[in-house]
Amino acid sequence: QKEVEQDPGPLSVPEGAIVSLNCTYSNSAFQYFMWYRQYSRKGPELLMYTYSSGNKEDGRFTAQVDKSSKYISLFIRDSQPSDSATYLCAMSGGTGRRALTFGSGTRLQVQP
Amino acid sequence: DVKVTQSSRYLVKRTGEKVFLECVQDMDHENMFWYRQDPGLGLRLIYFSYDVKMKEKGDIPEGYSVSREKKERFSLILESASTNQTSMYLCASRTGGRQPQHFGDGTRLSIL
Repeated sequence: QKEVEQDPGPLSVPEGAIVSLNCTYSNSAFQYFMWYRQYSRKGPELLMYTYSSGNKEDGRFTAQVDKSSKYISLFIRDSQPSDSATYLCAMSGGTGRRALTFGSGTRLQVQP
Repeated sequence: DVKVTQSSRYLVKRTGEKVFLECVQDMDHENMFWYRQDPGLGLRLIYFSYDVKMKEKGDIPEGYSVSREKKERFSLILESASTNQTSMYLCASRTGGRQPQHFGDGTRLSIL
């Protein structure tokens, strides 16, 4: 079983929809959680970073962490065609490793 | 803004060649990382470096080596390239502690 599970999609939504992207994890030592956006042929770009349970909001994006359920989510409000990309969750902490553990990514397509 | 620059966007090499991938960051970050990204497998850590001349193996170090002679530069070396090393290679950097990683735009490497 992978340490981090993420639905690969693809997820197709109409412009203006609310998008929910999710990851579950099994390692209770994870303490730091990130969401990256990756456009085709580009590197991952950091969207959100949080280290506590609860919600963190940045513009149209909200990151949600539930450590008791080992579940994180990224919500995108008023989705735009420019949001079409692959979204990667990543997490770290507690094991002494300095690297991140990534989900496999969810491909999102926002239809105009 | 953090800038991580990878020297080549696309590279084509022959099997058996020694291949160098270069990465430079401009934020005086202590930690640097090399990943490869393959469809269905996500990002996998090859090597990371937590200081000049210091390195640690990641999850898939076989067939690779690294060099970090200066703080801003981290090189990935394919000792004798093979076709199964055809992939997207991503470099990332981070300041010490639990800060998120910042990625370059990747090098798409093809081994023929």
